[in-house]
Amino acid sequence: DSGVTQTPKHLITATGQRVTLRCSPRSGDLSVYWYQQSLDQGLQFLIQYYNGEERAKGNILERFSAQQFPDLHSELNLSSLELGDSALYFCASSPGDRSSNSPLHFGNGTRLTVT
Amino acid sequence: AQSVTQLDSQVPVFEEAPVELRCNYSSSVSVYLFWYVQYPNQGLQLLLKYLSGSTLVESINGFEAEFNKSQTSFHLRKPSVHISDTAEYFCAVRRVFGNEKLTFGTGTRLTIIP
Repeated sequence: DSGVTQTPKHLITATGQRVTLRCSPRSGDLSVYWYQQSLDQGLQFLIQYYNGEERAKGNILERFSAQQFPDLHSELNLSSLELGDSALYFCASSPGDRSSNSPLHFGNGTRLTVT
Repeated sequence: AQSVTQLDSQVPVFEEAPVELRCNYSSSVSVYLFWYVQYPNQGLQLLLKYLSGSTLVESINGFEAEFNKSQTSFHLRKPSVHISDTAEYFCAVRRVFGNEKLTFGTGTRLTIIP
């Protein structure tokens, strides 16, 4: 068990809808990362938050947004969903200290299916 | 920017045979290197990491990887595979200084043949 919790495990929704994915980091970790895993794109970094603030942005679409709350849990919001958004979405966490060499610890992911 | 290349998308191996999964990286700055494993229908688990020191690193389940700076490689090896090693293996890098996000390779699917 990595200590990173993601809910829900599975999500099925229709095109044009909006969904929210939730992530609770490991105890003590301040950084949260979101990744998208799809068959054609592999593992793509979306966005990172550190202690409530956005720290780094990757290949995240404008229809997607994220935030990290004071209790350090994070939510990834996906809107105007398209068939191509179907993927496994992973959350990972780390202490967030840039001088630290701690690896990222991943949750089990949320599998999103857009029909 | 960093990039990772895993040339083999699929590797079939007979049980108890040795295996090597190849990983090459590209970076203009110093990096840390990682191997993650994803078992069917599960998340990513850290298998092993190279941070500094000895270039040969080992995992608790018999895998090892060797950091080769001159060849910019971090190949993963196991002398004798087991059915339970069936999984997808991802090589990843991150900068030593700066953002801690990981850049992943495209993964290698290891299939063990009984």
